[in-house]
Amino acid sequence: QKEVEQDPGPLSVPEGAIVSLNCTYSNSAFQYFMWYRQYSRKGPELLMYTYSSGNKEDGRFTAQVDKSSKYISLFIRDSQPSDSATYLCAMSEEDSSYKLIFGSGTRLLVRP
Amino acid sequence: ETGVTQSPTHLIKTRGQQVTLRCSSQSGHNTVSWYQQALGQGPQFIFQYYREEENGRGNFPPRFSGLQFPNYSSELNVNALELDDSALYLCASSFNTDTQYFGPGTRLTVL
Repeated sequence: QKEVEQDPGPLSVPEGAIVSLNCTYSNSAFQYFMWYRQYSRKGPELLMYTYSSGNKEDGRFTAQVDKSSKYISLFIRDSQPSDSATYLCAMSEEDSSYKLIFGSGTRLLVRP
Repeated sequence: ETGVTQSPTHLIKTRGQQVTLRCSSQSGHNTVSWYQQALGQGPQFIFQYYREEENGRGNFPPRFSGLQFPNYSSELNVNALELDDSALYLCASSFNTDTQYFGPGTRLTVL
């Protein structure tokens, strides 16, 4: 079993839809949680960064962390075709915050 | 502000050869991490360099080695290339252990 599980998709939605992306994890020591967006043949781009549990909002993006359930989510409101990309969740422990553990990514397609 | 840059963009090698990949960190950053991303997978941590010293290492064999220079740029060296080493190699820079920002990657193909 992988430390971080993520549905590979693809997830296809119409433009304007609310998108929900999720990851589950098994390591209770994870304290830092991130979401990266990766366009084809590009490096990952940081979208959201959360420490411990709670919610964080930035524009159309909302990140949620539920440590009791070992479950994190990224919501995208008013999705746009330019949001079509692979979304990677990443996590790290307090004592080794430099070592990011990634999910395998969810491919999102927003149809015009 | 200049972001993270990597060279070369693409590289083709044959099995058994050696390769060196290069990374220039973002301005103001002193830490570089390297990741390997196989097709359809998430990046896997190889190692991190902080102030020219290896600061942590993932589950990769010793034929994966690195360097960090006084200007905080870095090299990743891979000896005795295997077919499974074909992947996108990503460099990420940060200030200490803060948020990591990724470069565009080097795509390595081993034939």
